[in-house]
Amino acid sequence: GENVEQHPSTLSVQEGDSAVIKCTYSDSASNYFPWYKQELGKRPQLIIDIRSNVGEKKDQRIAVTLNKTAKHFSLHITETQPEDSAVYFCAASRESGATNKLIFGTGTLLAVQP
Amino acid sequence: KAGVTQTPRYLIKTRGQQVTLSCSPISGHRSVSWYQQTPGQGLQFLFEYFSETQRNKGNFPGRFSGRQFSNSRSEMNVSTLELGDSALYLCASRFQGGINEQYFGPGTRLTVT
Repeated sequence: GENVEQHPSTLSVQEGDSAVIKCTYSDSASNYFPWYKQELGKRPQLIIDIRSNVGEKKDQRIAVTLNKTAKHFSLHITETQPEDSAVYFCAASRESGATNKLIFGTGTLLAVQP
Repeated sequence: KAGVTQTPRYLIKTRGQQVTLSCSPISGHRSVSWYQQTPGQGLQFLFEYFSETQRNKGNFPGRFSGRQFSNSRSEMNVSTLELGDSALYLCASRFQGGINEQYFGPGTRLTVT
């Protein structure tokens, strides 16, 4: 069945360092890959996404890379700040006009130490 | 533009009861999806509605049901509540076909005792 694996489950970095979170998906028909950030007690917020026709996308300190052959995608956060501390979820879905079912990874708790 | 809203925010029910949760999407969004979030299972897809029709369904028992109204507002219902149904129920809305960005509401925290 459809599955998304996410690693690591916890990640602690020093302020200013980079953080990398990796995900692997099983459904080869997946072509849309969003990342969500969820702070404690808050809703998941879409921070960046990538489609299968693109290998990399950047937005300021955040970047996502996609390797369709290996079915891997990763989130890269540079120059981490304490406010980056949160749980990050990757997800995968098949882009379709009719429906969009997101399959989520299990989440990564990122702690940025000041 | 107002974000996705959900009511109620918190709910405490007893085993065997039923519950109805409500979701109002972002204005102009016609698709609403529901997800269950628990510490053990993470975020799991329940179902998606688009133009008042259920377009996709996750692997949940028939006790979980939903509907969507003509104004795109959606409700989900859980009957015969079990302790394991305690979770954060999130809804997410998106514009419409071909545009996949989903935006989440704050969720309804359901506790079953």
